[in-house]
Amino acid sequence: GAVVSQHPSWVICKSGTSVKIECRSLDFQATTMFWYRQFPKQSLMLMATSNEGSKATYEQGVEKDKFLINHASLTLSTLTVTSAHPEDSSFYICSAATGYEQYFGPGTRLTVT
Amino acid sequence: GESVGLHLPTLSVQEGDNSIINCAYSNSASDYFIWYKQESGKGPQFIIDIRSNMDKRQGQRVTVLLNKTVKHLSLQIAATQPGDSAVYFCAETFEGGAQKLVFGQGTRLTINP
Repeated sequence: GAVVSQHPSWVICKSGTSVKIECRSLDFQATTMFWYRQFPKQSLMLMATSNEGSKATYEQGVEKDKFLINHASLTLSTLTVTSAHPEDSSFYICSAATGYEQYFGPGTRLTVT
Repeated sequence: GESVGLHLPTLSVQEGDNSIINCAYSNSASDYFIWYKQESGKGPQFIIDIRSNMDKRQGQRVTVLLNKTVKHLSLQIAATQPGDSAVYFCAETFEGGAQKLVFGQGTRLTINP
């Protein structure tokens, strides 16, 4: 149980285009989902907290107009990287929370050329 | 704080030996701690957790020790196996912290045959 999926697992896009990443909790409902970004050889950095039916809460330094988050249901949150640039290339990981416990997705590798 | 490390701390051990991975956490108000294992290109995988009212917790081949006085957490892995090779992260959170996890910088564990 407690499986979280992400789609796509990897994506390559051209600079200036937008990319949408989906995060789904497959066998449980999550009122809260989180989005993290991880650069090579670094730790996970929280980008935003996504609550079902409300606006996401972004961490300091994360541009909300660039990283659009939608949490339309208790099992789905999406992250859209708008007008992507090479510096947005990273590993994006979501998690879904039930109480204290967080279950992580497998991550999405984004490469912007 | 923001992670600026370019090189993960590393630990190399012989297969079959015991490993100890250390973590210093930052918030004295943190009351829940988790160790995650992350293999290359994958999301974090839950290993073991501990609440602040405990100082030790054991799982299968793993033990977590918590020293609140010096804000230190350790993960002990017994009889390491090749499959234990990964990056290990500690994470902390606290009640009232909106379920946010703060990750440590991580340690790369390499098992030598």
